[in-house]
Amino acid sequence: TQLLEQSPQFLSIQEGENLTVYCNSSSVFSSLQWYRQEPGEGPVLLVTVVTGGEVKKLKRLTFQFGDARKDSSLHITAAQPGDTGLYLCAGVNTGGFKTIFGAGTRLFVKA
Amino acid sequence: GAGVSQSPSNKVTEKGKDVELRCDPISGHTALYWYRQSLGQGLEFLIYFQGNSAPDKSGLPSDRFSAERTGGSVSTLTIQRTQQEDSAVYLCASSPLWGNYGYTFGSGTRLTVV
Repeated sequence: TQLLEQSPQFLSIQEGENLTVYCNSSSVFSSLQWYRQEPGEGPVLLVTVVTGGEVKKLKRLTFQFGDARKDSSLHITAAQPGDTGLYLCAGVNTGGFKTIFGAGTRLFVKA
Repeated sequence: GAGVSQSPSNKVTEKGKDVELRCDPISGHTALYWYRQSLGQGLEFLIYFQGNSAPDKSGLPSDRFSAERTGGSVSTLTIQRTQQEDSAVYLCASSPLWGNYGYTFGSGTRLTVV
């Protein structure tokens, strides 16, 4: 069974601080996605990483896919209250047909 | 449509009753997925439809759960004889071909079984 473990589960920080969220698995994925979910809404796709070692930047967010395509990280620089939400990583299996989601990291950024 | 539409947004039902949840995917998206999210938890895969292929039902938790997709578009998730443990948010997502492109999710149906 493929599993994705996210850490930390919960993070409460002050505005302006930096943070990193981790997503780890023993399985190899063809791609890995990060989503952000706000209360009462469905998850919204932030980024897809496909190549081992790939780094993608989205404004203050930096996403990295591990060389072996088993793990990923999300780094947020100078967090803002608007970054508050549930961050989910999702690994797509090598067939590309099923996506496994982690349990999520709940981030709260205090003004 | 512009996004994935789910209805109803909220549903309260009595234990033992049947419920139907509806999903309208983005036009042209061939892949459609149903996930379940319990309070504060991640997403649990339920079922996957891809074009005219047989659906992947491996995530359905019991035979009380079933889903169909008519005409390659609208999908209905049916839960028979609902139980309290079925209470959750049911999320539908679609994608152009398969998961590598990322999903567009609907806002979900919050099901409460009392």
